[in-house]
Amino acid sequence: GAVVSQHPSWVICKSGTSVKIECRSLDFQATTMFWYRQFPKQSLMLMATSNEGSKATYEQGVEKDKFLINHASLTLSTLTVTSAHPEDSSFYICSARDLGAGTEAFFGQGTRLTVV
Amino acid sequence: AQSVTQLDSQVPVFEEAPVELRCNYSSSVSVYLFWYVQYPNQGLQLLLKYLSGSTLVKGINGFEAEFNKSQTSFHLRKPSVHISDTAEYFCAVSPRDQGGKLIFGQGTELSVKP
Repeated sequence: GAVVSQHPSWVICKSGTSVKIECRSLDFQATTMFWYRQFPKQSLMLMATSNEGSKATYEQGVEKDKFLINHASLTLSTLTVTSAHPEDSSFYICSARDLGAGTEAFFGQGTRLTVV
Repeated sequence: AQSVTQLDSQVPVFEEAPVELRCNYSSSVSVYLFWYVQYPNQGLQLLLKYLSGSTLVKGINGFEAEFNKSQTSFHLRKPSVHISDTAEYFCAVSPRDQGGKLIFGQGTELSVKP
């Protein structure tokens, strides 16, 4: 149980285009999902907290207009990187909090984004 | 606010030797404590967690950690490492009133040599 699927696992896009990353909880309901960003050889930095049916809460310094988050159902949250630039290239990881097990969130496999 | 400090960025060790990865944290509120492992280009796998109760926590793959409230530490240990333990290890805290939100340390690269 407690499986989180993230798609795609890797993507290459041209500068100026937008990319959508999906995060799905496969066998549980997740009212809250979290999006993290990880640069090479660095730690994970929380970008935003996504709550089902409401607006996401962004961490300080994260551009909400550039990183659009939608959490339309209890099993799906999406992160869209708009007008991507090479400096947006990174590893993006989502996690989902199980309603029935509030102390822990489960991680997706991550998405490697390369903007060329 | 919370912060997590992993005191060693890299830890080289020989196979079958013991290892300790150090983690200290600071927080103005009560937190849960976690250790995760990450293999290259993969997501995170939970090794163990401290929620309450016994301060010695046992996890998967033979790892254990001890919560020390007075020293605000949560060091990870393994008595005998394997080559397959080579990976990046992250210590993290989660505020008890914000279930699921994690603040990570900088990571420790464990390199096990034959």
